[in-house]
Amino acid sequence: GNSVTQMEGPVTLSEEAFLTINCTYTATGYPSLFWYVQYPGEGLQLLLKATKADDKGSNKGFEATYRKETTSFHLEKGSVQVSDSAVYFCALLYGNNRLAFGKGNQVVVIP
Amino acid sequence: EAGVAQSPRYKIIEKRQSVAFWCNPISGHATLYWYQQILGQGPKLLIQFQNNGVVDDSQLPKDRFSAERLKGVDSTLKIQPAKLEDSAVYLCASSLGVGAVEAFFGQGTRLTVV
Repeated sequence: GNSVTQMEGPVTLSEEAFLTINCTYTATGYPSLFWYVQYPGEGLQLLLKATKADDKGSNKGFEATYRKETTSFHLEKGSVQVSDSAVYFCALLYGNNRLAFGKGNQVVVIP
Repeated sequence: EAGVAQSPRYKIIEKRQSVAFWCNPISGHATLYWYQQILGQGPKLLIQFQNNGVVDDSQLPKDRFSAERLKGVDSTLKIQPAKLEDSAVYLCASSLGVGAVEAFFGQGTRLTVV
């Protein structure tokens, strides 16, 4: 089936630290991949996307590269800020425009 | 441009009661989705509409959940009767339609069943 696996547990780090959140997927073919972010008290927002292999999605200093050889789409940011504290979801698009989400990772950035 | 609107934001009910959620998608968006997000998990698709027709409701617990999208615009999701395990955030999302990659989400309705 179509599924997404994110690394376990919350991520706590200091301001200006490097952030990586791992995401791997299982799918038929080559689906479009996404990272969504959910800030406290708000709805899900699209952070970035990649629609084919080797594409790099980027937004607000975040990047993720679509790697078909490792079926991965890891999220990275070189220097996080307190305002980046949120829950981050990896997702893939399958079938007739449906999204399958990972469990999400809570990111807490400490000043 | 107005986003996806949902109401209510919060709802607390007793088990075996019924509840309904309302969603108004972005104007012109043909596809509408309802997702269930249980605490600590990612959103799970319950039902997908294309205009006013159901495209996928394979994960909707049809013995207690129902949804409709009259006139291909607003949608309502109903639970009757509610169970404790239905406590979750119910998210509505919309997209332009077939071939559209991005879905836009509302703020969700947080349901607590006691």
